[in-house]
Amino acid sequence: DTGVSQDPRHKITKRGQNVTFRCDPISEHNRLYWYRQTLGQGPEFLTYFQNEAQLEKSRLLSDRFSAERPKGSFSTLEIQRTEQGDSAMYLCASSPRGGDTDWTQYFGPGTRLLVL
Amino acid sequence: QKEVEQDPGPLSVPEGAIVSLNCTYSNSAFQYFMWYRQYSRKGPELLMYTYSSGNKEDGRFTAQVDKSSKYISLFIRDSQPSDSATYLCAMSVNTGNQFYFGTGTSLTVIP
Repeated sequence: DTGVSQDPRHKITKRGQNVTFRCDPISEHNRLYWYRQTLGQGPEFLTYFQNEAQLEKSRLLSDRFSAERPKGSFSTLEIQRTEQGDSAMYLCASSPRGGDTDWTQYFGPGTRLLVL
Repeated sequence: QKEVEQDPGPLSVPEGAIVSLNCTYSNSAFQYFMWYRQYSRKGPELLMYTYSSGNKEDGRFTAQVDKSSKYISLFIRDSQPSDSATYLCAMSVNTGNQFYFGTGTSLTVIP
């Protein structure tokens, strides 16, 4: 299967600990997005990469959050000093180059984070 | 005011009914529109995507965009119990920008 994959699928951590999530996009997609989704809400944009360049960051992305996409392939999202309010589903999506034919975003299964 | 408004429901319909799901938006610059289906505890699954105004049909699903009213719709014909899920609308100004999502409408199709 060549869909977007995310690892781990579930993470339980204690407040104050650091966590890191990984996203592997669809291989030919050069755009990669991170979203956060809480219960009863739609996904909220966190950040966006085109190849290895981080082009856009939401104000939701505090200093405790950092994302990387080395070599324009997989991406990691790290949360430092986790807080209970960080508990959410973290979704990764990837998108082709764009243009008229295929520009939409394909989502992975998500990583569900619970901060105790 | 949120960028995208979507009635959260829940919406409950009998099997075989026509379902109408809607979103309104405030940013007249939005040009790219998508509908996703999300099952509980899963990632969103793409259903339909459209550019600018007009209709697009794919099997039992029809997406409509009315930019003059800032209103988009998703119609599901001959609804099935397997259509029971949360439906999310999403939209963007450009393909390279972030997409703004509605809160999702929870749909249950009763056999």
